[in-house]
Formats: sequence, structure tokens, C-alpha cells
Amino acid sequence: AVVTQEPSLTVSPGGTVTLTCGSSTGAVTSGHWPYWFQQKPGQAPQTLIFDTDNKHSWTPARFSGSLLGGKAALTLSGAQPEDEAEYYCLLIHGDTRVFGGGTKLTVL
Amino acid sequence: EVQLLESGGGLVQPGGSLRLSCAASGISFSTYAVEWIRQAPGRGLEWISTDLRSGVATKYADSVKGRFTTSRDHSTNTLWLQMNTLRGEDTALYYCANLKDNSWGQGTLVIVSS
Repeated sequence: AVVTQEPSLTVSPGGTVTLTCGSSTGAVTSGHWPYWFQQKPGQAPQTLIFDTDNKHSWTPARFSGSLLGGKAALTLSGAQPEDEAEYYCLLIHGDTRVFGGGTKLTVL
Repeated sequence: EVQLLESGGGLVQPGGSLRLSCAASGISFSTYAVEWIRQAPGRGLEWISTDLRSGVATKYADSVKGRFTTSRDHSTNTLWLQMNTLRGEDTALYYCANLKDNSWGQGTLVIVSS
């Protein structure tokens, strides 16, 4: 399976943006247990969202996960400068996990 | 608090072998799922393997199946990643992680080059 993400997106400070995660095998469902990760330069990734819409204890409230139009989605409402980062989704396909190529989010 | 710490990376020639370790603390090791994930320089994340827990077969990506294997040492709470027949495209920063717990190591760098 190939997992696709927008290569880059830009959002204004305070604005809202939605990142999506699609699968070449068809519609993404909760059975793919979608994950979202944030990675800043020189740092290890951090898990933002797991199992579609579950937040980790550290996940800022402005991030939310969902399924939207056959894809997994990560919505950032009220973007902050510190949200500028690379965002990766991961889908579970049976015995394997597949990362998307990442979305570089610019807050400008 | 869960902590994962990788080690064992380094420079190895193509065709060579390397064994990475992931030392875990703060968890019940025998039932703790550990993923290996790598990131080539300037590239995205690539899932390598999932070791769910003792007694359950590890899952591997096609890119490493037959070359990489994982094992657990319960006496030291360490997960090993044995990497054989290494290729240039295996050059990457290797992380061990539990994704749901958001526990990630700092990564260990593997360079495959002659």
C-alpha cells in the first residue's frame, strides 16, 4: 500500500488547516488505526494522534484527528508558530504499517 | 516513565552486519510492543518492524524481510535488531518506539558505505 499526504501546506497564525492521509488500497477507515506524528528538525518524532482521533497526553487541544472523505485527517485549529513542523501519518494494513511521505507545514 | 535508548549504530560495509539494541525501562518488557522505524538522511519515516510481545511473531517491512530479525533479552529489558546483508539504502537513523505510548528513543545512526 502507498500512503499519500500533501507534500506541503501553509497556514496563517491563528488559522485552521487540515492535513489528509489517503491509502492506495481504498478508503481509510478506523480499521487502519490512523496515527499522526509531528517531527521538528533534529528531533525524534512525537505521536500526536493514535487510533484515528485519540490524543496523547501532550497533544495540544488545537490538534484533532478524524476520518474525512475516505481519508484520515489531522486538523489544526488556531495554528501557532511552534506548530511549524513535518507531519507524518501512519496506517496499519494487516500485518504491516505504512507511513505517508509527510507534510511540511509552514506557519506564515 | 518509559524510556527507550538505542545504541549500536555505526559505519559498516555493504554486505556486512550490525546489531542495534533498544534498552527499555519503566515498562513491563515482556508485553511491551516495540517498533523499529528508520529515517534516511533528509527523507521521511519508514516502518521497519513491529515486535508486539514475547511469543508473537515479529512483523517486517518487505524492504528488510529476510535480512533483519528482532529478538528480546528479558534479563536486560533489551530488544535487539539484527541487520544482515546491509545495503546502501539501509543508511538511516534508526529509532525504536512504542507509538501509542509516544515513547521514542533518540535514534542511532547506521551508515552503510565502502
